[in-house]
Amino acid sequence: GAGVSQSPSNKVTEKGKDVELRCDPISGHTALYWYRQSLGQGLEFLIYFQGNSAPDKSGLPSDRFSAERTGGSVSTLTIQRTQQEDSAVYLCASSLLAGAHVGTDTQYFGPGTRLTVL
Amino acid sequence: DQQVKQNSPSLSVQEGRISILNCDYTNSMFDYFLWYKKYPAEGPTFLISISSIKDKNEDGRFTVFLNKSAKHLSLHIVPSQPGDSAVYFCAASAKSNYQLIWGAGTKLIIKP
Repeated sequence: GAGVSQSPSNKVTEKGKDVELRCDPISGHTALYWYRQSLGQGLEFLIYFQGNSAPDKSGLPSDRFSAERTGGSVSTLTIQRTQQEDSAVYLCASSLLAGAHVGTDTQYFGPGTRLTVL
Repeated sequence: DQQVKQNSPSLSVQEGRISILNCDYTNSMFDYFLWYKKYPAEGPTFLISISSIKDKNEDGRFTVFLNKSAKHLSLHIVPSQPGDSAVYFCAASAKSNYQLIWGAGTKLIIKP
């Protein structure tokens, strides 16, 4: 079946502009994660959606970042007034979870969106 | 504060030999450890995991060893193949928290 898809694959924007990144998770997966990977760094957790529960936004670095997940499927990560330090690869992952321990619930990643802020 | 550390940014190994990738952690609450593999322009893919109640887990050419007293785990790949060239991430989770904490990754290069 289809895996996790993300769009666009690359985005170049000017400082101060808003950007929207999209994630289409695997059908039936209830959990959805957004991560950010800066150059030479590990994945940094941003936000987590699980079913109809309120999302965990504890990883969002500032109030310029927001995300939503419509109908329990597609998710959009929005960065307002982008800054150069926002340049990174943004990765989305989905998993079945459904009460399973995160350590045993395999996350399936999309290819990421490479964001460059000039 | 890096809770999961991969101190080797890169590792070069001859094809057919053993590759050993290392990972250290600081949080004693971690109860699951995972290894993911990432090719360029692709997302990470799950490779192998180990529960903190075990000290070894094996899957084909891949074996993960966990030393809880040293807060250290390692991934062994034997024999190494050219397709194993990738970046390997170590990640950890605590039962009380659904977040994965990731290391910075080690780039493995398999030389022919």
